[in-house]
Amino acid sequence: QVQLQESGPGLVKASQTLSLTCTVSGGSISGDDLFWSWIRQPAGKGLEWLGRIHSSGRTRYSPSLKSRVTMSVDTSKNQFSLRLTSVTAADTAVYYCARDPRASYYGSGNYYETYYMDVWGKGTTVSVSS
Amino acid sequence: DIQMTQSPSSLSASVGDRVTITCRASQSISSNLNWYRQKLGQAPHLLIYTAFTLQSGVPSRFNGSGSGTDFSLTISSLQPEDFATYFCQQTYTASNSFGQGTKLQIK
Repeated sequence: QVQLQESGPGLVKASQTLSLTCTVSGGSISGDDLFWSWIRQPAGKGLEWLGRIHSSGRTRYSPSLKSRVTMSVDTSKNQFSLRLTSVTAADTAVYYCARDPRASYYGSGNYYETYYMDVWGKGTTVSVSS
Repeated sequence: DIQMTQSPSSLSASVGDRVTITCRASQSISSNLNWYRQKLGQAPHLLIYTAFTLQSGVPSRFNGSGSGTDFSLTISSLQPEDFATYFCQQTYTASNSFGQGTKLQIK
């Protein structure tokens, strides 16, 4: 079955750039309705969705982080990546990558698209040091 | 932006109990609502998507309902592995925001 593995530095200095990669195994990163997301969770706190990317390179970022986030994909390596610039202590968290398929449905005569994160990596802890 | 509010924030129950967790959106999100369970020290695990669709492999004791602004997750008979934290997530707006979580503890 599909498995995801995050990798990257566990320690980043404040004001620098956090870079993480997610390697997908057991399946292809490509697919019309296959998207791939990054999510983070500070210790003892809730979840924050950062953004998603399609194998075509199409991206959608969370508005709160849009100015600092860049995601990319390398289909030849079955990997996708996250870059977060100008980090501060508030960016210290466990970072997860996840498969995020798109689904569609009809409700009240309207067409809707939605997403659901059905496979997750184990997560990697990133600490920002001053 | 849409705020997702879960209640209660914590809940104590026993094995075999029936429990319900609610999630309220600050504006209508149609059925763009997912539920996840997160065991301590693990990644979240998808339980329900589009408000009521049971993810493949998830036990039938989990049931999701609701649409618009009010949603609920019901566990019909708690098992030991269900004592964990539960999160709802909306995918209607660009933020794809989560609720703050509901921690389910053993009584």
